[in-house]
Amino acid sequence: NAGVTQTPKFRILKIGQSMTLQCTQDMNHNYMYWYRQDPGMGLKLIYYSVGAGITDKGEVPNGYNVSRSTTEDFPLRLELAAPSQTSVYFCASRYTGVGTEAFFGQGTRLTVV
Amino acid sequence: QQQVKQSPQSLIVQKGGISIINCAYENTAFDYFPWYQQFPGKGPALLIAIRPDVSEKKEGRFTISFNKSAKQFSLHIMDSQPGDSATYFCAPPGGGTSYGKLTFGQGTILTVHP
Repeated sequence: NAGVTQTPKFRILKIGQSMTLQCTQDMNHNYMYWYRQDPGMGLKLIYYSVGAGITDKGEVPNGYNVSRSTTEDFPLRLELAAPSQTSVYFCASRYTGVGTEAFFGQGTRLTVV
Repeated sequence: QQQVKQSPQSLIVQKGGISIINCAYENTAFDYFPWYQQFPGKGPALLIAIRPDVSEKKEGRFTISFNKSAKQFSLHIMDSQPGDSATYFCAPPGGGTSYGKLTFGQGTILTVHP
């Protein structure tokens, strides 16, 4: 049982480059999330999705884009990377409805230089 | 805007002591109140959660207490151990029109000294 899988685990980007962080889950969860966590700080919600084809902005969406074409996958796209996007990114998923636990991936550590 | 406010931001406790972390919320549509635990280099994981129809839930050394009138819930760690050193987050899932949203409190860094 893989749970939530994120790739890559580490990445170094140059300023202005683009990349996609991959997230897939095998638990048939409708809800999926992307967070960023800066050192010593909390989790900030970037985007979330309540089902295939439905996405919505979180607290810090600027500089990111998402898509949700399938239940399993929720990629996060960074366009024109900036040093301010240096962070650890976590993907999470949970079942529909209230009272459900969120499961997290192992994180992607991104450095923009 | 922050949906929940956690306190304190950091906490240092001696081994065997009691750790108490609080979470205040404003959205009365919340009806599930979880605490997540995060170790360095790992993603958060659910520690314990409570529904508003009970005022307290205990699992081993961890207890959640819920005060609906004060719109606050707390995590108590009894007999704190060095292995409890981690960051703790409250994260009630969005209710009402934000039913799918899930935002986290600011986090509390707990350090338990041996």
